[in-house]
Amino acid sequence: QQPVQSPQAVILREGEDAVINCSSSKALYSVHWYRQKHGEAPIFLMILLKGGEQKGHDKISASFNEKKQQSSLYLTASQLSYSGTYFCGTEIRSSNTGKLIFGQGTTLQVKP
Amino acid sequence: NAGVTQTPKFQVLKTGQSMTLQCAQDMNHNSMYWYRQDPGMGLRLIYYSASEGTTDKGEVPNGYNVSRLNKREFSLRLESAAPSQTSVYFCASSDLSPLHFGNGTRLTVT
Repeated sequence: QQPVQSPQAVILREGEDAVINCSSSKALYSVHWYRQKHGEAPIFLMILLKGGEQKGHDKISASFNEKKQQSSLYLTASQLSYSGTYFCGTEIRSSNTGKLIFGQGTTLQVKP
Repeated sequence: NAGVTQTPKFQVLKTGQSMTLQCAQDMNHNSMYWYRQDPGMGLRLIYYSASEGTTDKGEVPNGYNVSRLNKREFSLRLESAAPSQTSVYFCASSDLSPLHFGNGTRLTVT
């Protein structure tokens, strides 16, 4: 079952912040975040493992609340290069397959 | 180092025709995946292969077959294409994580 992402779309001005949420109806082992530019392949941003950790990557960070089966991606001081579609990918249980089920995506547009 | 290579990049088929999408990776990854991407639906898993010699169904396997030919190659076959299979298809590979995606195959079925 696909995780649900919200919002579906966000429009920002450069320098503004955004939060993208990912919610699952099933217990999660890990959450991955990917970004995809138009016409390109998705690119890996970060992974959060069971344990409620928060990770950061430049001005992009994420949290994982395993109790609520939710993850959030935080984009601070957004840049034009942040534009694209963001996907969360969820792993339901620990396995050696790396099998991910993705949400429907959140389109982020950053304007000058 | 090419990563994940998909062929062809574009394909147009008539309803009922068959074709095979090819995928090869040079990262020595054990796991390989096929996803399809449709507007508003995100990436949906068709089939995956945890290791050479094994394949399993994903979320939307109907109408597709796969072959894990060896550790490098994982092909996706449409036996009788339908307009509902018009989509962008991505192959990916990983060794647990993260997924490395190919550049996709844009398939149109008329």
